[in-house]
Amino acid sequence: SSELTQPPSVSVSPGQTARITCSADSLPKQYTHWYQHKPGQAPLLVIYSDSERPSGIPERFSGSIAGTTVTLTISGVQAEDEADYYCQSADSSGTFPEFGGGTKLTVL
Amino acid sequence: QVQLVQSGAEVKKPGASVKVSCKASGYTFTTYDINWVRQATGQGLEWMGWMSPNSDNTGYAQKFQGRVTMTRNTSTGTAFMELRSLRSDDTAVYFCARENSGSSGYYFDYWGQGTLVTVSS
Repeated sequence: SSELTQPPSVSVSPGQTARITCSADSLPKQYTHWYQHKPGQAPLLVIYSDSERPSGIPERFSGSIAGTTVTLTISGVQAEDEADYYCQSADSSGTFPEFGGGTKLTVL
Repeated sequence: QVQLVQSGAEVKKPGASVKVSCKASGYTFTTYDINWVRQATGQGLEWMGWMSPNSDNTGYAQKFQGRVTMTRNTSTGTAFMELRSLRSDDTAVYFCARENSGSSGYYFDYWGQGTLVTVSS
């Protein structure tokens, strides 16, 4: 089972703020990255290194960290943001990457 | 622009092997490691392993040790993932992804479009 824990689902109305958390079971925590995954498409990197946004990703996507919990925040959610979101970090040995279980974001 | 283009869908019988390719373009192939990630229907993303195109070094998730081999052809800029002794629960979409690593950890900045592998008798 994953050592990165995400809520299975988050629902928000358009224009609201969505927050998706990713909690690590143990310290030390490595950098965490976030991917957006829509059905039939390749995953898309939306946040890397806890809070950095790749070029081309809208400013409404942001990342933050508090202790061993990182949070992906989507401000002013749009219908097109409906997708599964996965956090990714290194496993407890720091050797290999590991994904969280994923969170389905529903835009009501 | 960076692109990873994967081979087409495959249908295999239980016990068979499958080899998926991932052709890279838009960057120097030997500069970045290639990882493989899969997603079974209704499941999350699952990391399978990595391969260094520069050195041919590999690292596999324990779950796939002994059943998977990741290779590359540097002359064509293509990475390959072969999975053997297929079972029905190997039915999944398989993705290749370019690894970006450094002081900021390692993450996957470009992905292939995915290859559906169906294992069925």
